[in-house]
Amino acid sequence: AQTIHQWPVAEIKAVGSPLSLGCTIKGKSSPNLYWYWQATGGTLQQLFYSITVGQVESVVQLNLSASRPKDDQFILSTEKLLLSHSGFYLCAWSLRDYEQYFGPGTRLTVL
Amino acid sequence: AQKVTQTQTSISVVEKTTVTMDCVYETRDSSYFLFWYKQTASGEIVFLIRQDSYKKENATVGHYSLNFQKPKSSIGLIITATQIEDSAVYFCAMREGTPSGSWQLIFGSGTQLTVMP
Repeated sequence: AQTIHQWPVAEIKAVGSPLSLGCTIKGKSSPNLYWYWQATGGTLQQLFYSITVGQVESVVQLNLSASRPKDDQFILSTEKLLLSHSGFYLCAWSLRDYEQYFGPGTRLTVL
Repeated sequence: AQKVTQTQTSISVVEKTTVTMDCVYETRDSSYFLFWYKQTASGEIVFLIRQDSYKKENATVGHYSLNFQKPKSSIGLIITATQIEDSAVYFCAMREGTPSGSWQLIFGSGTQLTVMP
């Protein structure tokens, strides 16, 4: 069975500090991978999309970047956090482009 | 751009009853895919059910079913025999193509369902 793991579970960071969030999918070969952001009480906004190692497409600009260094790993990062980066970050996977399956998420608080 | 609208902010029902959540969408695509997800209090997001636009039959999975009305651009979620654990936020979503040729999911604003004993 496939499993999706995100790390860390939660982060509290200072404005201007760097950030790196990770996601690993086990049990699926060459999945499509996605990063989402959700403000408290809000809807989900897709940030990035990757169909293969080394390839990432940005869907919306939020001063964040993403990378896919391995088939089963997706990284979200920034060199300088803003207050507006606070929220819930979710990684998801899919086979082809149908329903997506989400990880447990990382709660980020920027102070 | 395509759009997904959920007008019901919150709904409360008594357990074991049936509830319907509304969702309307806008698209210029002739073929498209619609999804429903739920988000539990812990933040977990769970895929529930999918409707392919070219299928006339309403999708059904367990006690979830869809009321797909293509001429009205409407995709309602029906939950029968509700249980306390169905309490969650329910999101409607649509797959949209991006300018680069890939896909993204567009989510509605969500409906908070509370199931009471």
